[in-house]
Amino acid sequence: GAVVSQHPSRVICKSGTSVKIECRSLDFQATTMFWYRQFPKQSLMLMATSNEGSKATYEQGVEKDKFLINHASLTLSTLTVTSAHPEDSSFYICSARGRQGGKKEQFFGPGTRLTVL
Amino acid sequence: GDSVTQMEGPVTLSEEAFLTINCTYTATGYPSLFWYVQYPGEGLQLLLKATKADDKGSNKGFEATYRKETTSFHLEKGSVQVSDSAVYFCALSDQGGGADGLTFGKGTHLIIQP
Repeated sequence: GAVVSQHPSRVICKSGTSVKIECRSLDFQATTMFWYRQFPKQSLMLMATSNEGSKATYEQGVEKDKFLINHASLTLSTLTVTSAHPEDSSFYICSARGRQGGKKEQFFGPGTRLTVL
Repeated sequence: GDSVTQMEGPVTLSEEAFLTINCTYTATGYPSLFWYVQYPGEGLQLLLKATKADDKGSNKGFEATYRKETTSFHLEKGSVQVSDSAVYFCALSDQGGGADGLTFGKGTHLIIQP
């Protein structure tokens, strides 16, 4: 099946610094990638949708200047949390959808645990 | 807006017990419905899905039927195994098939004891 990886799996940073999280589709080309955020014992909340080569579409309430998304190639999307604060601590999950008609489902990465001190 | 409500966990069962995890939804359109499973340390995996009313999705012994009249998509399995221990998420997509982002329930942690 299709594989999506995320790097790093865990990151701890100081308040005020920026953190970049990578999401890669390893064996298919992802025309669309999604970024989700999950709080403890809560559901995954969609943050933004990115299509290769175009600007990301952010969900209501998500600050686009805070969470920078780049989808520069068909296999890589990055999420940069800028000037991170403790309230940004969360579990960030990406998913990818392929370009072929048969890959209409989303394939999820294992997630990145961000802790901001 | 769209929302998904599923039963709170953890749900603890003995091996070979019958499993039901309830899921109901609200949606403005005519959604597709999904169950995802997350095993410890792994990403979410699609377990099964249904795209229209009365469709039954099935996989690995799990089943769920799309009930439009009750806006439900309950997950069932006749005989659970220890290896079924995981977190199960009910989700919907208003664009059918995952073209847009998914709306998830909070997840139900299932624990199967030998």
